[in-house]
Amino acid sequence: TQLLEQSPQFLSIQEGENLTVYCNSSSVFSSLQWYRQEPGEGPVLLVTVVTGGEVKKLKRLTFQFGDARKDSSLHITAAQPGDTGLYLCAGARRSSNTGKLIFGQGTTLQVKP
Amino acid sequence: NAGVTQTPKFRVLKTGQSMTLLCAQDMNHEYMYWYRQDPGMGLRLIHYSVGEGTTAKGEVPDGYNVSRLKKQNFLLGLESAAPSQTSVYFCASSTRTGSDRKAFFGQGTRLTVV
Repeated sequence: TQLLEQSPQFLSIQEGENLTVYCNSSSVFSSLQWYRQEPGEGPVLLVTVVTGGEVKKLKRLTFQFGDARKDSSLHITAAQPGDTGLYLCAGARRSSNTGKLIFGQGTTLQVKP
Repeated sequence: NAGVTQTPKFRVLKTGQSMTLLCAQDMNHEYMYWYRQDPGMGLRLIHYSVGEGTTAKGEVPDGYNVSRLKKQNFLLGLESAAPSQTSVYFCASSTRTGSDRKAFFGQGTRLTVV
């Protein structure tokens, strides 16, 4: 059973289009992180959201944490080929003091020029 | 400014062989983790450590052992490799838990068991 469900799993769009990736769970998380991974590399942290309803922006990327802290979304405006990669959400459970992260299965994004 | 370094980067094993993957971090982090990544599965936690001399099981620990004899190193061992252990393995380290916790990942080890 996947505790964090990401959708869509694959996304292929043209340069300039907008897109949204979703990360959903029935569990509550104390924080949620978004990572980006390029082929042959490890994941790199993009952002951490902590407060329910929180919105963070990173250039053309907008991250939102759901009010109930069970879901999150990543919105990319005017996607560019450099945005191509695997996007992973990861949640930290409130009850955990070990730093363990639960990962979603990932969304593979391809942006065509 | 190495961060998290994994060795080796690639390895091919025959079924039944053993090997050790090494992870080294130079950020003085207390927490270290071993994940495996398989297509469509995201990252799954194998074992983790919250400090030197301590280890604990993660989500998929069977067939693996770990050791954390030094704070900067976290070793993952496969005693008798099986084809089901073909995967990409990632090591990560992080500071103590907190809302500003940030995990740093190595570049991965691609392991094929034939």
